[in-house]
Amino acid sequence: EAGVTQFPSHSVIEKGQTVTLRCDPISGHDNLYWYRRVMGKEIKFLLHFVKESKQDESGMPNNRFLAERTGGTYSTLKVQPAELEDSGVYFCASSQVTGYSGEQYFGPGTRLTVT
Amino acid sequence: SQQGEEDPQALSIQEGENATMNCSYKTSINNLQWYRQNSGRGLVHLILIRSNEREKHSGRLRVTLDTSKKSSSLLITASRAADTASYFCATVDSDNYGQNFVFGPGTRLSVLP
Repeated sequence: EAGVTQFPSHSVIEKGQTVTLRCDPISGHDNLYWYRRVMGKEIKFLLHFVKESKQDESGMPNNRFLAERTGGTYSTLKVQPAELEDSGVYFCASSQVTGYSGEQYFGPGTRLTVT
Repeated sequence: SQQGEEDPQALSIQEGENATMNCSYKTSINNLQWYRQNSGRGLVHLILIRSNEREKHSGRLRVTLDTSKKSSSLLITASRAADTASYFCATVDSDNYGQNFVFGPGTRLSVLP
């Protein structure tokens, strides 16, 4: 069974540009999460999808970040315009069951560098 | 909101020694999970311990959970150079239906050959 995949693995962009990160969860997993680790600090929750609906987006830092999950399959996270402080590793995770605190399966992450 | 906090933040040991990392959290939880992140790579799930469990083993890993103290420890026995990584505990507030994880800052473990 394929795990969670993320694309690209690394992105280097200039301040003010736009970047779109993609996450493909494990097939059949309704729950999809985005997290990020900035500047080697703790990993912070960004948002949670259940199928195509945003269940919780309380962790989104500001309106420069837009997440979508059309059709309830893969998800994209767009940063527009990117700022220097957005640099970090963006993780995606998926899980099968809602309402149960089980294991979340993480992707390899996308390392975003904003220069 | 709750926050997992690992202690120590950095740990350096010799190959073959044991490594112990601690984690504290603030709210009621259903379970606590430990993850590892190798440099530049993704998060790997290590072990999950439920709130009604006190100790759990998996290979060279031993995890304890003390819900009265809201703390957990991860012990890696007979460490290897390949264990060099950052280790995070992750918790979910049992009142949080959304189940998003709260991670601590992590412990950076360096195992020297």
